[in-house]
Amino acid sequence: DTAVSQTPKYLVTQMGNDKSIKCEQNLGHDTMYWYKQDSKKFLKIMFSYNNKELIINETVPNRFSPKSPDKAHLNLHINSLELGDSAVYFCASSLRGQAPYEQYFGPGTRLTVT
Amino acid sequence: AQSVTQPDIHITVSEGASLELRCNYSYGATPYLFWYVQSPGQGLQLLLKYFSGDTLVQGIKGFEAEFKRSQSSFNLRKPSVHWSDAAEYFCAVGPSGTYKYIFGTGTRLKVLA
Repeated sequence: DTAVSQTPKYLVTQMGNDKSIKCEQNLGHDTMYWYKQDSKKFLKIMFSYNNKELIINETVPNRFSPKSPDKAHLNLHINSLELGDSAVYFCASSLRGQAPYEQYFGPGTRLTVT
Repeated sequence: AQSVTQPDIHITVSEGASLELRCNYSYGATPYLFWYVQSPGQGLQLLLKYFSGDTLVQGIKGFEAEFKRSQSSFNLRKPSVHWSDAAEYFCAVGPSGTYKYIFGTGTRLKVLA
């Protein structure tokens, strides 16, 4: 069974388009995250939701909007895509309130903006 | 400020040789520490974790790590590296009060046959 899944795995699109990435976890976790990994493999936190409440909102262009319909899902919508948005986006989840709070990651979505 | 430093960007070892990947952290409280591995084109897989108790922790794939509070380090070790261990390794600390995890910049491991 897949623990944290993301769709699509690959996304190629043109500048100016709007796209969404979906994430689902079946671990019973209550906290979910979006990370951006650039070409140098640096992982940067973007957003985090706990029980559908936004708890981390890093300095990210407002073209990026997360949505959490329930605690098992966290989607990322990106408006007006730019070349610099090309990266791998990872979803992760964890269980708040239970140490050691390890995160589990999805397989990633490789976004290429042309 | 909380931070994680992985001093080695690249490490190359021969298959069968021992391995140590370094991780130093700066954290105000007792840290929760993690090592993740990312194989090419894959997501991050948790290798091991530390949050209390025995300072030598065992993980998957034959890896272990030792927490040394006095040195603010959490180095990853493996006694005999296999070619399949070639990957990117990330050290992480957290979560902080805001439930944010801090990741190191990663160490890329190359294994020579």
